[in-house]
Amino acid sequence: QAVVTQEPSVTVSPGGTVTLTCGSTTGDVTRGHFASWYQQKAGQAPRAVIYDTTNKHPWTPARFSGSLFGGKSVLTLSGAQPEDEADYFCLLSYDTSWRIFGGGTKLTVL
Amino acid sequence: QVQLVESGGGVVQPGGSLRLSCGASGFTFNTKNMHWVRQAPGAGLEWVAFIKYDAKKTYYADSVRGRFTLSRDNSKNTLYLQMSSLRREDTALYFCATDKDWGFDYWGQGTLVTVSA
Repeated sequence: QAVVTQEPSVTVSPGGTVTLTCGSTTGDVTRGHFASWYQQKAGQAPRAVIYDTTNKHPWTPARFSGSLFGGKSVLTLSGAQPEDEADYFCLLSYDTSWRIFGGGTKLTVL
Repeated sequence: QVQLVESGGGVVQPGGSLRLSCGASGFTFNTKNMHWVRQAPGAGLEWVAFIKYDAKKTYYADSVRGRFTLSRDNSKNTLYLQMSSLRREDTALYFCATDKDWGFDYWGQGTLVTVSA
């Protein structure tokens, strides 16, 4: 059974740049995993940020970007804002009935 | 604007059944694949099930296969999740979400299911 790995917590200074990663215990994450990213603030439903590794939704701020690096999916936040403080979850789709979320990264903007 | 509104959650005993609904508006429901995702209290997200736009195919996570049944009524713009043989570990906030290229784009606010004696 695959496990999707994320950093438990990351801190960034306001205006700074931070990368969150999403790996798989089965091997390298590739475009074929269609990685997606979700932001969840306390008491709210998740909000989609990135889909299919690199694509932004119409509401995704330009400061967020997605990529692959080092065998992982990467969410980069350039110019962090206080409102970006949240939990971030990645999803890897291995198959139509095998889609696994990572445990989430708590991002603190401080 | 897109709206997804879940309902049907509540408290149910272990072994019991419950049917969740997700009412959709603001988009052409019968062209969108749909999902259920759940989140146990204080925990992360877990994908539960997926149904194609025309209801011809459904897919389930191993943890719910054989116990949960996903269906939709495109004439009513509504998605359903019939849950049976419920276990304590099914306790969670259940979200419906629209499909976007192997991920999700729009999410509802969720409905809480508590399995407890």
